[in-house]
Amino acid sequence: AQSVTQLDSQVPVFEEAPVELRCNYSSSVSVYLFWYVQYPNQGLQLLLKYLSGSTLVKGINGFEAEFNKSQTSFHLRKPSVHISDTAEYFCAVSDLTGGFKTIFGAGTRLFVKA
Amino acid sequence: DADVTQTPRNRITKTGKRIMLECSQTKGHDRMYWYRQDPGLGLRLIYYSFDVKDINKGEISDGYSVSRQAQAKFSLSLESAIPNQTALYFCATSDRGADTEAFFGQGTRLTVV
Repeated sequence: AQSVTQLDSQVPVFEEAPVELRCNYSSSVSVYLFWYVQYPNQGLQLLLKYLSGSTLVKGINGFEAEFNKSQTSFHLRKPSVHISDTAEYFCAVSDLTGGFKTIFGAGTRLFVKA
Repeated sequence: DADVTQTPRNRITKTGKRIMLECSQTKGHDRMYWYRQDPGLGLRLIYYSFDVKDINKGEISDGYSVSRQAQAKFSLSLESAIPNQTALYFCATSDRGADTEAFFGQGTRLTVV
C-alpha cells in the first residue's frame, strides 16, 4: 500500500531565506508525485508534479522538487521565500496500478517571518 | 466563477441531524472526490466517483454516503451527524488517469455540536 510522510509539521523561516519541505513515500509500484499548496481559507492548488523524465521538476511561484527514487523522496525547495509563501503544503502520491488512488501527506505548515 | 463550487461554505449542525454537502463543477471532468481535512492528518478520501454510475468507498467512508446526480454534481451526506465529523470537507475533480492533477473546491467547514 502507498503511504506519504511529510517529515515536518511546521517550518518557520525568515523572508528571503531558502527552504526545503521534506516528503518521503512508499509504494510497491511506480508512482506519480505531486505537491499542492493551500493558502488560508482556500482549497488546494497544484504546485508541481513528477510524472517521468528529469528528476528535477519546476513549478509555480519559484518552487522546485527533486525526485529521488533510491531514497523514495520528493523534497520541495525554494531558494528565497516571500511572506506570501506562508501556507500549508501537501505532498501526494498516485500509483499506476489502474484506477485512482491519490494519498496525501499530513501537510507542512510553512510560516515565513519578516 | 470557480471551476469547483461547494455549498454551503460553513455549517453548524446538531448531533443526529442529517446534512448534505453539495459540489458542482464546470471542468467537464468525469472523476469527482470527497475528502476531509483534519489538523495533522492531511486529506483523507471519503468517497470517489469515476463516472455517474460508478461510486467507490475511500479510506474513511463509514458514516457518510454520496450521490452522483450528474457528471457535474456530487453530493456528500452525513445521515446522522456526530461531533467527530467536525472537519473541513473538500470536493475535487480530475480528468482520467493517475497522472492528472486534482482541482479542489474552497471547502466546507462543518461543525457538529
